[in-house]
Amino acid sequence: AQKITQTQPGMFVQEKEAVTLDCTYDTSDPSYGLFWYKQPSSGEMIFLIYQGSYDQQNATEGRYSLNFQKARKSANLVISASQLGDSAMYFCAMREGRNSGGGADGLTFGKGTHLIIQP
Amino acid sequence: GAGVSQSPRYKVAKRGQDVALRCDPISGHVSLFWYQQALGQGPEFLTYFQNEAQLDKSGLPSDRFFAERPEGSVSTLKIQRTQQEDSAVYLCASSRRGGQGAKNIQYFGAGTRLSVL
Repeated sequence: AQKITQTQPGMFVQEKEAVTLDCTYDTSDPSYGLFWYKQPSSGEMIFLIYQGSYDQQNATEGRYSLNFQKARKSANLVISASQLGDSAMYFCAMREGRNSGGGADGLTFGKGTHLIIQP
Repeated sequence: GAGVSQSPRYKVAKRGQDVALRCDPISGHVSLFWYQQALGQGPEFLTYFQNEAQLDKSGLPSDRFFAERPEGSVSTLKIQRTQQEDSAVYLCASSRRGGQGAKNIQYFGAGTRLSVL
């Protein structure tokens, strides 16, 4: 079973609109972290925002916020007031804690969502 | 440097050749990670170093893949006898702390795009 699921392969959004990118995850570990990265055509993965499993409040970083619904195991990224420069691939990723008794030390990524902002 | 630096940016190899990919992490970062990203996919974990120690190599796809970080700074990913299925972007990431702490932000380089003909 996939640990990270991103159901939107591609999205077109009008400039200045808000956009929500979906991410659901699967883990039995009570301790985990969720990350969103942006990958423009240049290839570099740019860290956007982090949410810990024990965090009480949803994370926010400037125009980015994370809609964390723990019971539903979802961690959707919300971008407010989208800009042309937001056009890129967006990846949701997870890192599980040691309690799981296994798993790599690295991040597990979803397949990504290709976001295109239209003027 | 200010960020993670990878070289070369592009590498074309004939099938059967050996290749070496270099990663310069952010100065002072303890942890270093290698990922493989196939076309149209998310990155997949290959291996992890804490300083010079390779603590996890569970993602390396075969014994043709070898990584080292001898002085706890620069790392090299070596692929021996390259195959066409090795064609991918290889991403390196570093993080400030070691250990399993979930909030250990990984900062990525721009990657090396390997094409095996």
